[in-house]
Amino acid sequence: IAGITQAPTSQILAAGRRMTLRCTQDMRHNAMYWYRQDLGLGLRLIHYSNTAGTTGKGEVPDGYSVSRANTDDFPLTLASAVPSQTSVYFCASSNSASGELFFGEGSRLTVL
Amino acid sequence: GQNIDQPTEMTATEGAIVQINCTYQTSGFNGLFWYQQHAGEAPTFLSYNVLDGLEEKGRFSSFLSRSKGYSYLLLKELQMKDSASYLCAVMDSNYQLIWGAGTKLIIKP
Repeated sequence: IAGITQAPTSQILAAGRRMTLRCTQDMRHNAMYWYRQDLGLGLRLIHYSNTAGTTGKGEVPDGYSVSRANTDDFPLTLASAVPSQTSVYFCASSNSASGELFFGEGSRLTVL
Repeated sequence: GQNIDQPTEMTATEGAIVQINCTYQTSGFNGLFWYQQHAGEAPTFLSYNVLDGLEEKGRFSSFLSRSKGYSYLLLKELQMKDSASYLCAVMDSNYQLIWGAGTKLIIKP
């Protein structure tokens, strides 16, 4: 692994199903983030974690949950997917000192 | 509320210069970032400004005026590979990033 890895790359999901998007980084960054990106809108923060063991809500947290059991992993769970959660999801991490974000390649999720 | 404004789309010619503007209204300011995002790919970091003035990095430069709530990204000697979206983001007083919707730059031969 080099950098930040997301899985799956793409997924089609029936409404009402549970889905977990995985995110792993090997840069030992303390801070990690989940964003969604929709056409015509800026990146919107769903949840974040400043350090292992802590999480916080972003701008659009409803319908999503996260956990941060260790430094490397930051999974995002949709407990019961709805069509409005159709989006491209990006995981990111940062070295808090610089503020620069390193993004994963994204997970394209379609909820039908 | 917090707001980042940038043009939706711009077109420029290969070899030319283009300036992408970004204006912002945020609760506090802890720096402004520019990211490049090619279609279907992840955003990648271009520049960071926290003090007024121009930061130059090769063909790309970024300018900041905090008093005007304004920044621009200047791209020189445009190449076809510069066709991408350019995202402006401001770090607010809570150290959270507020993102603009991005400017899609189309480069024509």
